Amino acid sequence: SQQGEEDPQALSIQEGENATMNCSYKTSINNLQWYRQNSGRGLVHLILIRSNEREKHSGRLRVTLDTSKKSSSLLITASRAADTASYFCATDGGGSNYKLTFGKGTLLTVNP
Amino acid sequence: GAGVSQSPSNKVTEKGKDVELRCDPISGHTALYWYRQSLGQGLEFLIYFQGNSAPDKSGLPSDRFSAERTGGSVSTLTIQRTQQEDSAVYLCASSWGLGTETQYFGPGTRLLVL
Repeated sequence: SQQGEEDPQALSIQEGENATMNCSYKTSINNLQWYRQNSGRGLVHLILIRSNEREKHSGRLRVTLDTSKKSSSLLITASRAADTASYFCATDGGGSNYKLTFGKGTLLTVNP
Repeated sequence: GAGVSQSPSNKVTEKGKDVELRCDPISGHTALYWYRQSLGQGLEFLIYFQGNSAPDKSGLPSDRFSAERTGGSVSTLTIQRTQQEDSAVYLCASSWGLGTETQYFGPGTRLLVL
C-alpha cells in the first residue's frame, strides 16, 4: 500500500496564486521529502524535512510536518506557469528502513 | 558536479529478451537505489545498495529481476525474459549515505516491452 498519499490528486490555479498540497503517511519516519516531476521523467528534489523539524522554507516553498498526525503540506507561493508539474511526497520507513515510498502525486497546473 | 546518469534513455525490446539498465551515481555517493514508475503502480522501490551490498531486495517483483553494483559506483539492473508488464520508467537515485539523506534521481530509462 502507498505510504504517502497526496491530496488533492489534481490542482489548477492561476499564476500568482498560492498552491497547497497535502501528504499523509502511515508509519514512523526519519524524514519526508518532496519531489517534482515534469513530463513523467526526472524527479527533482525540492526539500527534505526531518522528523524532529516542524517547518522548513526554501525560496517560494514552505513545508510543514506534523508527526502526531502523520501529515505534511507543501505550499508554493506566488506560483508561476513553470511550476506546472506533478508533486510527490516520499517517506522512508523509519529506523534503518531507508527505501522511499512515494504517494501517487498531485498534478499541479498553473495557468498563465 | 554531474548528476546521476542512466543509460539507455529509452529501450524497446521484444517479450522474452533480457535487458540491462545502467546507473552511474553521483561521485562519492555510497548509497544507490532503483525504483520504477508505471501507470498502474506509481513509483515503487525495487532495491538499494550500500557500497556493493544490497541489504534489502524486498522490492524486486520477481526472480527475473537482479541488480549488482561493482566498485561502489556503477550499478546494473538486469531483467531476464522480459514481460509486457515490465514496461515502465526505471529510475536510479543516489545519496551520500543511508539515513536522513536526500536521494538524487537520474532521468530514468523508459523500457517498452512489445
